[in-house]
Amino acid sequence: GAGVSQTPSNKVTEKGKYVELRCDPISGHTALYWYRQSLGQGPEFLIYFQGTGAADDSGLPNDRFFAVRPEGSVSTLKIQRTERGDSAVYLCASSWGQTDTQYFGPGTRLTVL
Amino acid sequence: AQSVTQPDIHITVSEGASLELRCNYSYGATPYLFWYVQSPGQGLQLLLKYFSGDTLVQGIKGFEAEFKRSQSSFNLRKPSVHWSDAAEYFCAVGAGNNNDMRFGAGTRLTVKP
Repeated sequence: GAGVSQTPSNKVTEKGKYVELRCDPISGHTALYWYRQSLGQGPEFLIYFQGTGAADDSGLPNDRFFAVRPEGSVSTLKIQRTERGDSAVYLCASSWGQTDTQYFGPGTRLTVL
Repeated sequence: AQSVTQPDIHITVSEGASLELRCNYSYGATPYLFWYVQSPGQGLQLLLKYFSGDTLVQGIKGFEAEFKRSQSSFNLRKPSVHWSDAAEYFCAVGAGNNNDMRFGAGTRLTVKP
């Protein structure tokens, strides 16, 4: 399986709880992206990593959202004090470099009750 | 900032008929343009992209798109639709790099037998 994988595929949580969403990019890809897709909408950019560092986090909606990629491979998107409005599909993508084709994972569907 | 409009929320075509999905973008300079397809339970898959050069771009699965600067459009076409083409289609525009993509809201394609 050489594609981007994301776990869990589904996550149901209660308002106010903390969640972590994981992304395993394609091996060797240095660039990693997180998007959020709300129902009936296209993906919305959240954050972009080049290696271990967040090169662009301008899409994170507020300081409850945070993402890390400590070893330049797996990334974790962390959401604190979840709100019902955070319910969406969170997509991860990776690419060889910044200008190369992005390959998307199947997403994690987050439901906040 | 760049933006994308996909005027058609839902399109239904008969199998074997031709298809054209509309995409209009807004961006001051030469954009990077993309079409992605998303099937239920699947990740987004890149169909084709335009960075520069020939304005008629060939993609996978028999799709093509034409960049028309004068109309700010990048419409997706296929001469003969197959039932397996039923999916959600997203147009996206990038502002000179890959991480700043803006997606349209998508067009859902239904294929009648």
